[in-house]
Amino acid sequence: DAKTTQPTSMDCAEGRAANLPCNHSTISGNEYVYWYRQIHSQGPQYIIHGLKNNETNEMASLIITEDRKSSTLILPHATLRDTAVYYCIVATDSWGKFQFGAGTQVVVTP
Amino acid sequence: ETGVTQSPTHLIKTRGQQVTLRCSSQSGHNTVSWYQQALGQGPQFIFQYYREEENGRGNFPPRFSGLQFPNYSSELNVNALELDDSALYLCASSTSDSRNTIYFGEGSWLTVV
Repeated sequence: DAKTTQPTSMDCAEGRAANLPCNHSTISGNEYVYWYRQIHSQGPQYIIHGLKNNETNEMASLIITEDRKSSTLILPHATLRDTAVYYCIVATDSWGKFQFGAGTQVVVTP
Repeated sequence: ETGVTQSPTHLIKTRGQQVTLRCSSQSGHNTVSWYQQALGQGPQFIFQYYREEENGRGNFPPRFSGLQFPNYSSELNVNALELDDSALYLCASSTSDSRNTIYFGEGSWLTVV
């Protein structure tokens, strides 16, 4: 599975949109992009995933570039409860065989 | 609420002992993956079970073993516990369809003393 590169940390003001970038330049055609987040000491929480089209759900939007080499997770209106480590993962038909990186520590401030 | 439950939530074991951790998958999910997460690190893939057979393994020694039962619940067994086995152990369940969501449980915290 392809590797991902994410910034180590990001700060975001409460109420503002948080845009979390992820590079996955070696992604292959059948690999999905998944985003999970983990709040301290809890299990990873699913946010969103997609193959090549942009995706939106009640939590976030996922924007995948046309060449699929990078993506952006958008939290439209960040709240203090969005403070967490966010993981971007690319995986093929893995059914859950993920290779986690270090993720991005997002801190939402009042 | 993910529908994936793990037990126990916390436990303490002595070096050299054996431990069994349990995972109840979301209904209809025939695939379960286990992860180890040391403090301050991302989860590391241990192995995956699909329809009661091991379907891939990460870089973990044989003293880490697993089982998946006909009802798709699962166990992770660790023998000869070492201090470095202290970690959060996570299970994730899914169907065999990448379009579907993969859900994690809240994990079992294991402390080896």
